[in-house]
Amino acid sequence: DIQMTQSPSTLSASVGDRVTITCRASESIDRWLAWYQHRPGKAPHLLIYDVSTLESGVPSRFSGSGFGTEFTLTISSLQPDDFATYFCQQYSSYSPYTFGQGTRLE
Amino acid sequence: EAQLVESGGGLVQSGGALRLSCAASGLNIDNDWMHWVRQIPGKGMMWISRINRDGSRTSYADSVKGRFTISRDNAKSMVYLEMNRLTVEDTAVYYCGRGGNLFDPWGQGVWVTVSS
Repeated sequence: DIQMTQSPSTLSASVGDRVTITCRASESIDRWLAWYQHRPGKAPHLLIYDVSTLESGVPSRFSGSGFGTEFTLTISSLQPDDFATYFCQQYSSYSPYTFGQGTRLE
Repeated sequence: EAQLVESGGGLVQSGGALRLSCAASGLNIDNDWMHWVRQIPGKGMMWISRINRDGSRTSYADSVKGRFTISRDNAKSMVYLEMNRLTVEDTAVYYCGRGGNLFDPWGQGVWVTVSS
């Protein structure tokens, strides 16, 4: 299985801050990486796919980059709604799909 | 509003069984792969199973293969996960999700607690 490792596991920040979350794959996944936002008790929400393509309706303060094994999610200026957990997912291999363990933004 | 809603979770003893349901409303899932994903408390998401649009193709994570069965009823816009021989390691929040390789949307999840 392709292992996905996220860092940090918790990130403390304030409204207006620029934050970056990293996701590393145990082998190359090309550009087959997505990011999700998950608020407690809510359905996870697709933010970004193919490393850097924003899902419709996602604010432009979210951006993604990377290739191969190292990827980042950046939020350029944190808004109150952005405090949530973020996790990555690889879909280079569907047997199985694998996820990062999540980064809680507080 | 387009959404997926899971149900059927609860408390069950080790060795027992549960059937989870995922109801789609406001969206047509007939032509989509559907998935089940779970999250053990304090851990990341783990993909469990998927089923193609007509139910002819399914696949499972190794940890549930032979114990869990995914199925669907497109006429009812429903997807199911039959879980047998449950163990305490199956305790988690279970989510359904729509998609090929991406999961969009997801449901809010349903708790499954397996007691020893």
